[in-house]
Formats: sequence, structure tokens, C-alpha cells
Amino acid sequence: DAGITQSPRHKVTETGTPVTLRCHQTENHRYMYWYRQDPGHGLRLIHYSYGVKDTDKGEVSDGYSVSRSKTEDFLLTLESATSSQTSVYFCAISGGRNTEAFFGQGTRLTVV
Amino acid sequence: GIQVEQSPPDLILQEGANSTLRCNFSDSVNNLQWFHQNPWGQLINLFYIPSGTKQNGRLSATTVATERYSLLYISSSQTTDSGVYFCAYSGGGADGLTFGKGTHLIIQP
Repeated sequence: DAGITQSPRHKVTETGTPVTLRCHQTENHRYMYWYRQDPGHGLRLIHYSYGVKDTDKGEVSDGYSVSRSKTEDFLLTLESATSSQTSVYFCAISGGRNTEAFFGQGTRLTVV
Repeated sequence: GIQVEQSPPDLILQEGANSTLRCNFSDSVNNLQWFHQNPWGQLINLFYIPSGTKQNGRLSATTVATERYSLLYISSSQTTDSGVYFCAYSGGGADGLTFGKGTHLIIQP
């Protein structure tokens, strides 16, 4: 299995609080991604990174920010969580832009 | 963006049956992957198959890039095959993977 660890695996937080999800990889892959999965929408790309300090927006980036200060870590931050951000969040990695991607185990976030 | 359609959306089979899942896309893609999301939510890589045919045990996949479709074959189904099967592509100017809506497969004992 690809070495991808997401933390925390489950989190319940209150509306308006900041939340940071962490993705850690041991594969030294260049690309890292954050997706969210919602019923009726499938998986959608939030943000991605193509190198240290190099990030870009995906399809559903509003309300989220990311940072990548080391190759192995990609952080997703919800500055002020809202109920619409209740979702399952997946991190993924790939060696190149169009190469095989591998997913972490997911983080279930509930905003109450 | 490129449209991707998966069919059928739902499939219920008895253990031991064979099945074919289909993924159609509206334009050329650079990469195509098949995933299995098990009942615990984990996304498992099945195939990375931009073109051609691959086999892994009871599963095989074929992508015909020129005709813009991919097929996933499951033979001799087992209850552990239950879950949602996604195809996902990269390309068409979009970054990351774009997922189809999935096929929800239930294998009954």
C-alpha cells in the first residue's frame, strides 16, 4: 500500500472554528491532492500541490486553504468551518501530473 | 470539461456471477483509473489503464482510448466485491482526477 497517512481520521467541530487536516506521505511523490466526497457529487478536487510551496485551486476551493512546506506533508485548513463543509476528505498522491494516483484512508469531518 | 458516465448505476448479483461495468468519456483523456470503494470507505486502486487490457486475478479492465470507453470485468463475484466502483480520468485541461458517479455493486450470498 502507498504510504499515505491522514490525520485525524474523524473530527467533530463547531461552526466557525478553524480546522486543519494533515496528509503525510512516505513515497516522495511530487503531487499531492485534497478531495472531498459527498453523496450525489462523488469526489471533487479542492486543492492540489505540485511541489513544495507550489499549490493551486481545484473545483471546490472556496473556504479552504492549503500549505506544503515539506515534500511529505500537505495541510488542508478550513479557516472558519461551516456545516456545508461536513464531508469525507481524501488526500491523494501521484508521482506526476497524469500518473497513477493513490488515496489515503479519508477523514470524516462533521461541522455542527 | 470532459463528461464521464458510468453504467449501470446500481447492480445486484448473486455470488459467483460475472459482471461488466462501463465508463464512457466525452473526449480524449491522459489517464484512466478504476477504484473500488469498500463498505468502510477506503478507495482501493484496481487498475491504472490509459489504454489496452490488464488483468489481476478475477478482475480485468480494457480501455479503448480511440473510442473513449473503459470496461471493468469482475468474474466469479464474491461478497467482498461489494461496494462502489469508480472510474476516474485526468486530462482535458483539468488538474487532478475527475471521477464518475460510480457503480454501486451488491453481491448477495
